[in-house]
Amino acid sequence: AQSVTQLDSQVPVFEEAPVELRCNYSSSVSVYLFWYVQYPNQGLQLLLKYLSGSTLVKGINGFEAEFNKSQTSFHLRKPSVHISDTAEYFCAVTGRSYNTDKLIFGTGTRLQVFP
Amino acid sequence: DTAVSQTPKYLVTQMGNDKSIKCEQNLGHDTMYWYKQDSKKFLKIMFSYNNKELIINETVPNRFSPKSPDKAHLNLHINSLELGDSAVYFCASREGRETQYFGPGTRLLVL
Repeated sequence: AQSVTQLDSQVPVFEEAPVELRCNYSSSVSVYLFWYVQYPNQGLQLLLKYLSGSTLVKGINGFEAEFNKSQTSFHLRKPSVHISDTAEYFCAVTGRSYNTDKLIFGTGTRLQVFP
Repeated sequence: DTAVSQTPKYLVTQMGNDKSIKCEQNLGHDTMYWYKQDSKKFLKIMFSYNNKELIINETVPNRFSPKSPDKAHLNLHINSLELGDSAVYFCASREGRETQYFGPGTRLLVL
């Protein structure tokens, strides 16, 4: 079974500042990792994903994340945030084996960008 | 254009009523899902269907019954609605082995 921990429920930051949203996971099998963003009253949009290969993955809107197997982490970063990045961010994991195809989500991190 | 669509977007109803939410995907994916997002934004899987066959049923009450008439559609019927069913329900479909794409959500409010 897998689980995901998002350590920060809220992250306030000023516009143009860098931000890191933390995500740790646990799993008994190899995993695929994802970050989704949910803007207010909207659905979930895929930001980026790690499937294999390079541990640094780049996504949409200038976000990137680094897979660290030894620390079982997949932290999301952006060097300079905009007001429009204000949203809820969800880290998610799914196992690579055939019978574990459901996404397990973290509890979300609310990113609030201030002018 | 819409990849995964859901109707209705908003649903307000009385306790005890029966309601359905529809989901359609035009991505050609074989696997579709229903997730529930509660008032604290926590997302949890409810059901998964692969090519019209039920794959995952995550201890959801029997009042919830998914139906997949074909692999592009996965509907959710809820009988005898309760206050605790108020939530946002998301449909998703899966590309390949791992990537899921979500619909816009259906916001259900039970009064």
